[in-house]
Amino acid sequence: GAVVSQHPSRVICKSGTSVKIECRSLDFQATTMFWYRQFPKQSLMLMATSNEGSKATYEQGVEKDKFLINHASLTLSTLTVTSAHPEDSSFYICSAPNRDRGVHEQYFGPGTRLTVT
Amino acid sequence: QKEVEQDPGPLSVPEGAIVSLNCTYSNSAFQYFMWYRQYSRKGPELLMYTYSSGNKEDGRFTAQVDKSSKYISLFIRDSQPSDSATYLCAMIKAAGNKLTFGGGTRVLVKP
Repeated sequence: GAVVSQHPSRVICKSGTSVKIECRSLDFQATTMFWYRQFPKQSLMLMATSNEGSKATYEQGVEKDKFLINHASLTLSTLTVTSAHPEDSSFYICSAPNRDRGVHEQYFGPGTRLTVT
Repeated sequence: QKEVEQDPGPLSVPEGAIVSLNCTYSNSAFQYFMWYRQYSRKGPELLMYTYSSGNKEDGRFTAQVDKSSKYISLFIRDSQPSDSATYLCAMIKAAGNKLTFGGGTRVLVKP
């Protein structure tokens, strides 16, 4: 099956610093990747769509200057949380559809737990 | 009103029982219907997907879609304690690529 990895799996940072999270599709190419955040006992909330070679598309209410997304290649997208604050603490998950199989086959990374102190 | 509604549970069943999960939706534009399983502190895992109406079976899992009623179901036969997780339904509109999720149902299978 398709594999998506995320790094780091867990990060603790101080308020005001920036954190970069990587999402990689390991055995398939993804021209599009999605970034979600998830609060405890809640469903996934889509933050943005990452497009290889072009700008990301952000969902309403998501600050693009705070959550910087870069889709550098067909297998890598990064999310940088800039000037992190405690309210940014959450579980961040990426997903990628296998472009050879169709949009309905989307595979999720294991998630990154961010804690801002 | 949310586009996709899902009972949060928890749904508690004894081992070996059938687990019945469902979602309702309001937008007839949805064409692909998926079920994901998510263990605590992990990313969701794709279980099954169905295109349009009909049934699909994969091992102990059966997915059903009734587009006329805007209702989808997932059945898990011979449930095991390892099936204890949160189950998320998700849908994609025609010509789209974004997943719209239900809120998830927490399932507990007791040995």
